Amino acid sequence: EPEVTQTPSHQVTQMGQEVILRCVPISNHLYFYWYRQILGQKVEFLVSFYNNEISEKSEIFDDQFSVERPDGSNFTLKIRSTKLEDSAMYFCASELATGQPQHFGDGTRLSIL
Amino acid sequence: DAKTTQPTSMDCAEGRAANLPCNHSTISGNEYVYWYRQIHSQGPQYIIHGLKNNETNEMASLIITEDRKSSTLILPHATLRDTAVYYCIVRVDNAGNMLTFGGGTRLMVKP
Repeated sequence: EPEVTQTPSHQVTQMGQEVILRCVPISNHLYFYWYRQILGQKVEFLVSFYNNEISEKSEIFDDQFSVERPDGSNFTLKIRSTKLEDSAMYFCASELATGQPQHFGDGTRLSIL
Repeated sequence: DAKTTQPTSMDCAEGRAANLPCNHSTISGNEYVYWYRQIHSQGPQYIIHGLKNNETNEMASLIITEDRKSSTLILPHATLRDTAVYYCIVRVDNAGNMLTFGGGTRLMVKP
């Protein structure tokens, strides 16, 4: 069964550094998402992306965050200058079309030191 | 999106049916009920979704009341691997709409 894959599984970065989290969505899916989950807290929506544009973003997704689909397969989340509070699990999801569910990857654990 | 209310935790004996309730009394006519689960900090896993009819797939059954104000997810024969946090989410079923996760129900399946 096709799945969403995320790399790396664990990323450790110094505060203030840039980090890029990578996702390969399911190949024929058209809608892409990033969510995050701080340890012990709820899964929170960050951003949705369709047709090479951001469709919707939350208050968390400020100017330090950006997303890109640089080619036909990858979907990336960049954090420009990481803060301690960016430490979390980051989940990528993709969706084929209306009426179909979102499918999630197993996440990248981001640890900011 | 409308909010949902779920019990914080539930226990179930292995091999028995697990019935997980969800209240969504303010659900709108065009909102679907989705169920996901999260096993030990893995990514949320889609289980099932429905609008108003009962639904069944290889993982579970979804029973939605006639007034659509509540639903029940049924795992017919729970196994230890079904131990997870189960999330009930209502969502307008347009692609591109986010999922809003609550706290979910922590289901513990016991031998």
